[in-house]
Amino acid sequence: QSALTQPASVSGSPGQSITISCTGTSSDIGTSNLVTWYQQHPGKVPKLMIYEVTQRPSGVSNRFSGSKSGNTASLTISGLQAEDEADYYCCSFAGPSPSYVFGTGTKVTVL
Amino acid sequence: QLQLQESGPGLVKPSETLSLTCAVSGLSINNRLYHWGWIRQPPDRGLEWMASLYYTGITYYSPSLKSRLTISADSSKNQFSLKVTSVTAADTAMYYCVRLSDGVPGDVWGQGTTVTVSS
Repeated sequence: QSALTQPASVSGSPGQSITISCTGTSSDIGTSNLVTWYQQHPGKVPKLMIYEVTQRPSGVSNRFSGSKSGNTASLTISGLQAEDEADYYCCSFAGPSPSYVFGTGTKVTVL
Repeated sequence: QLQLQESGPGLVKPSETLSLTCAVSGLSINNRLYHWGWIRQPPDRGLEWMASLYYTGITYYSPSLKSRLTISADSSKNQFSLKVTSVTAADTAMYYCVRLSDGVPGDVWGQGTTVTVSS
């Protein structure tokens, strides 16, 4: 069970939109709707941002949105703000042995 | 208000067994809506899911770690634990306990406990 593949870094200017990809296989993202995204600021606890591919927990800005196509999930941050600068991790439920696999992580930089 | 609080030894020697505990307050770990689990993060690296359990005793483990892990619950203390056997320097990490809701890991996290493996 290998880690999901994310770009090491993505950057954008304030107000722009960026998209982070998360590529897995037919054993995880391709067959699961349990895809989640987390935001982690330096030295802080990760925070759930997206669950079940597209759902936002209460309190998470609607500037964050998720999607999935085939074996690849994506997180889009629109209207980029300085506070969005953080590490982002995807995660998917994985079969056949019930487990979860995280992505390699993406550092988002606001220019 | 739900809170999860990890506790651990801080420092453990190579080849020994690491024992971690997560004390849960504000919600019974026997609540049938939730699972409970552990996620770790080595220094300056990514997150790794380790194990989870349900109050009925059902457990799930990371395939790559399964042979060294045991997750268990103590309902009388409303806490759950993780044991990692035969630790090496690669097990040095921040260890987080989390709640899983409807199969979603980490809707609630503990603050984490740091574990260093060193002689």
